[in-house]
Amino acid sequence: DQQVKQNSPSLSVQEGRISILNCDYTNSMFDYFLWYKKYPAEGPTFLISISSIKDKNEDGRFTVFLNKSAKHLSLHIVPSQPGDSAVYFCAASSRGNKLTFGTGTQLKVEL
Amino acid sequence: GAVVSQHPSRVICKSGTSVKIECRSLDFQATTMFWYRQFPKQSLMLMATSNEGSKATYEQGVEKDKFLINHASLTLSTLTVTSAHPEDSSFYICSARAPGQGALTFGSGTRLTVV
Repeated sequence: DQQVKQNSPSLSVQEGRISILNCDYTNSMFDYFLWYKKYPAEGPTFLISISSIKDKNEDGRFTVFLNKSAKHLSLHIVPSQPGDSAVYFCAASSRGNKLTFGTGTQLKVEL
Repeated sequence: GAVVSQHPSRVICKSGTSVKIECRSLDFQATTMFWYRQFPKQSLMLMATSNEGSKATYEQGVEKDKFLINHASLTLSTLTVTSAHPEDSSFYICSARAPGQGALTFGSGTRLTVV
């Protein structure tokens, strides 16, 4: 049972444009959500998080939006840069417990 | 920021042998560490939660006798893949949560290839 889903396995965006990565979840007990970036053969790197008491969190070029009623979150990257090309995982947890990861979206930012 | 070091980054072993992977929290103490596994183009799957001074908690479907976890100190957890088989070939990643932080910090991962 995949509790965290990323339905787009890949996304291609032009440099300078906005990248929007989506994530859906099914467990209403999740109260903390995170986005990680991962390069091949490396561990994931934390990008940004959001608590369920908020609907938006912004950090530089990265903004995460949370729609609790739809059980949906998204990561916006603007402007997108070639160095952003990586696999992005969303993750969720309940009360600070273990993280459940989505299946990842491969982002490719083209020149 | 918090740093988690994982060693080795890559290991090739023969079927039937055992391999030990180390995970260290370099600048903080971690009473709990998490071991994940990732197959190609798939999600990170939690294998077990390593608890300092007590037994690890394994996720459903993970064989505790095959994946031995030892968390002997507040900065070190080890995962030993015993009697490795080719199907154990995967990318293993450890993580820990620094005090006061909500996000997990991950190690750099270990690529295990069993031949």
